Amino acid sequence: EPEVTQTPSHQVTQMGQEVILRCVPISNHLYFYWYRQILGQKVEFLVSFYNNEISEKSEIFDDQFSVERPDGSNFTLKIRSTKLEDSAMYFCASFLAGAMGETQYFGPGTRLLVL
Amino acid sequence: GDSVTQMEGPVTLSEEAFLTINCTYTATGYPSLFWYVQYPGEGLQLLLKATKADDKGSNKGFEATYRKETTSFHLEKGSVQVSDSAVYFCALYIPDTGRRALTFGSGTRLQVQP
Repeated sequence: EPEVTQTPSHQVTQMGQEVILRCVPISNHLYFYWYRQILGQKVEFLVSFYNNEISEKSEIFDDQFSVERPDGSNFTLKIRSTKLEDSAMYFCASFLAGAMGETQYFGPGTRLLVL
Repeated sequence: GDSVTQMEGPVTLSEEAFLTINCTYTATGYPSLFWYVQYPGEGLQLLLKATKADDKGSNKGFEATYRKETTSFHLEKGSVQVSDSAVYFCALYIPDTGRRALTFGSGTRLQVQP
């Protein structure tokens, strides 16, 4: 069964450093998402991406964040200057629009720790 | 705005006990409803879903019925196993609004003891 993959599984970085989290969505899916989950808290929406542009973003997704689909398969989340509070699990998700009740498929996540 | 409220955990049960995890929602439109499960150290997996009123989603012995009149989508299982220990998230999204982000509840941790 096709699945969403994410790399790396874990990343440790120093405050102020840039990080890039990578995702490979399911190949025929058209919508891509990033969510994050701070330890012990709920999963929060960050941004959605469709047709090579951001279609929606939350208030969490400020100027420190950016997303890109650099080629036909990868979808990346960049954090320009990490802060301690960026420590979280970051999930990528994708789905294929067109039917009622579309299901978003999640990757296994990248655990980011900012020191 | 849209929101999902789940019962607080942890829920601790003995093996073979009956499980109910409550989920209620508020939504500006007609939502699709989901239950996702997160096993220890893993990502989110779709457990079941329902897209319209009175639909029942089911998978792996879990069931949930979309109740529009009570705006609820409670998760149930007749006989839990130790392997069901995980965090369960109720979620919704509103189709046909252009807003396709999922709104999650806070999650309910289930601990099943042998």
